[in-house]
Amino acid sequence: DGGITQSPKYLFRKEGQNVTLSCEQNLNHDAMYWYRQDPGQGLRLIYYSQIVNDFQKGDIAEGYSVSREKKESFPLTVTSAQKNPTAFYLCASSLQASYNEQFFGPGTRLTVL
Amino acid sequence: AQSVAQPEDQVNVAEGNPLTVKCTYSVSGNPYLFWYVQYPNRGLQFLLKYITGDNLVKGSYGFEAEFNKSQTSFHLKKPSALVSDSALYFCAVRGPNTDKLIFGTGTRLQVFP
Repeated sequence: DGGITQSPKYLFRKEGQNVTLSCEQNLNHDAMYWYRQDPGQGLRLIYYSQIVNDFQKGDIAEGYSVSREKKESFPLTVTSAQKNPTAFYLCASSLQASYNEQFFGPGTRLTVL
Repeated sequence: AQSVAQPEDQVNVAEGNPLTVKCTYSVSGNPYLFWYVQYPNRGLQFLLKYITGDNLVKGSYGFEAEFNKSQTSFHLKKPSALVSDSALYFCAVRGPNTDKLIFGTGTRLQVFP
């Protein structure tokens, strides 16, 4: 899983709660990404950031928020507005330029109780 | 619009036999193509990529992939499968000057002893 860490590995949330997933990288990558993985659907992009203090919505941003205050960190908050948050969440990072591969963290499995 | 298709949900192969996992893509311009592998409850690991040049790309763990522009395919291959190759495999595509990597829905490879 390279130099990307995600915490916690497992997270349980009660309905109506906001939770924050941590993602840290020590690869000196400019770009960072958050994906959601559901069985049979592959990976779907939630948010991405190509530079500090800037980020863009992905394909399924509703109910999620992010910040990018430091190059190494890209936390994801799952808000109470996300109606179906139970999923496996993956963080990734890469060098800039389209041809560079993304490196993935180990993931956080979020379950709503 | 970019898209990628993995037509097989599961591929079964006997240990020692060659394996192929199929991927086709659609993108405007020259594509950047990637293969990743995922073991249970883990993040994705990068296997190989095609940017330009030789159509046969060699990657990690003895895997290789063949880029075929006329058929818009990028099939993953290995001459002799191992039981330890059993995992979920994702193909991904990115167009030039685009921000997003588009993933297929994944193919589960099962190698039987």
